[in-house]
Amino acid sequence: DTAVSQTPKYLVTQMGNDKSIKCEQNLGHDTMYWYKQDSKKFLKIMFSYNNKELIINETVPNRFSPKSPDKAHLNLHINSLELGDSAVYFCASSQSLPDEQYFGPGTRLTVT
Amino acid sequence: ILNVEQSPQSLHVQEGDSTNFTCSFPSSNFYALHWYRWETAKSPEALFVMTLNGDEKKKGRISATLNTKEGYSYLYIKGSQPEDSATYLCAFNALNLIWGLGTSLAVNP
Repeated sequence: DTAVSQTPKYLVTQMGNDKSIKCEQNLGHDTMYWYKQDSKKFLKIMFSYNNKELIINETVPNRFSPKSPDKAHLNLHINSLELGDSAVYFCASSQSLPDEQYFGPGTRLTVT
Repeated sequence: ILNVEQSPQSLHVQEGDSTNFTCSFPSSNFYALHWYRWETAKSPEALFVMTLNGDEKKKGRISATLNTKEGYSYLYIKGSQPEDSATYLCAFNALNLIWGLGTSLAVNP
């Protein structure tokens, strides 16, 4: 049973396209996150939702828009993809903000 | 600007050696301190979440201590094994979760 799943695992696309990455958790957690692992392997938080409400919104381009249809799902939509968006994106969930986080397998996005 | 610093940046030890790393964080607005283990090509996995000053937690050969007044946490690995090779991340939880850059551990057989 996969606790936190992401689709797709790999995504190769061209500059200017719009793409989405989906995340689902079956742990019953209230809080979900999106992280970007940059080229230096640094893990940086992008967004966090608690019960479908945005609670953390770090400084990311507004081309990135999270959407949470319910508390088990947090999708990431990216408009007008740029070369610099190439990275591994991780979804995670936790019962609440201070609690340990469970990470998905990651989505490797390559923009050509 | 809140900063979380981890040292050393990388570490090479021999199998059987014991080792420790440091995570330094702001001593104000403390809520929790997380430790994660991140193996190459996998996802980070939680080791410990620590909330109280003086907390000491243990999981097998790995243990961690917490000093919120001076703003540091130590992670100890006793008798390192090759399977302990990974990056160990700490994250400071105030209003947001701020991650350190990690300590990369390589254990040589």
